[in-house]
Amino acid sequence: GQQLNQSPQSMFIQEGEDVSMNCTSSSIFNTWLWYKQDPGEGPVLLIALYKAGELTSNGRLTAQFGITRKDSFLNISASIPSDVGIYFCAGQRPGMRFGAGTRLTVKP
Amino acid sequence: GAGVSQSPSNKVTEKGKDVELRCDPISGHTALYWYRQSLGQGLEFLIYFQGNSAPDKSGLPSDRFSAERTGGSVSTLTIQRTQQEDSAVYLCASSRDFRETQYFGPGTRLLVL
Repeated sequence: GQQLNQSPQSMFIQEGEDVSMNCTSSSIFNTWLWYKQDPGEGPVLLIALYKAGELTSNGRLTAQFGITRKDSFLNISASIPSDVGIYFCAGQRPGMRFGAGTRLTVKP
Repeated sequence: GAGVSQSPSNKVTEKGKDVELRCDPISGHTALYWYRQSLGQGLEFLIYFQGNSAPDKSGLPSDRFSAERTGGSVSTLTIQRTQQEDSAVYLCASSRDFRETQYFGPGTRLLVL
């Protein structure tokens, strides 16, 4: 199925650093979502964005729904070791299409 | 239960056999989705049910794959004549309706030998 272009594929950062990842698509979506998946678990929703241009924060996480409705970014500030995992973006309209994921490693 | 549940959690089968995977959505959620996740990959949309409407089957990879949702609640994904490339984690998600956020179950890990 159609995939979103998510980058970077992986990141190795030091604890305390900020992280930024993004997704782009050639198609418009009505909703953008960001999920985190730990090994052996299903994805867990972090942030949902419903309107073009919307900027939403959830603790140390900030995400934006691009004005063209074809892109979104996720920022994590002051990373901590438990931020380790795979982060997926998803566009919904209504069936979801997912990015390939960004694997985040945080070194203490 | 409070979340989406799936069964079995793991399934090992032989090539050519049929398998059935079950999803129990969150109570009251009218929308139900099936996805597939191959090892180290992102999620691939398979099929979507919304209330009594005809399902969106646009993501099913072949006619060996089918799904039902009886009574607007529990759903079963059936894979006939399984192939080794069907090995993956099959995830189910539900939402209040298609405009609302989806919540995922833990998945069924399918291994076809």
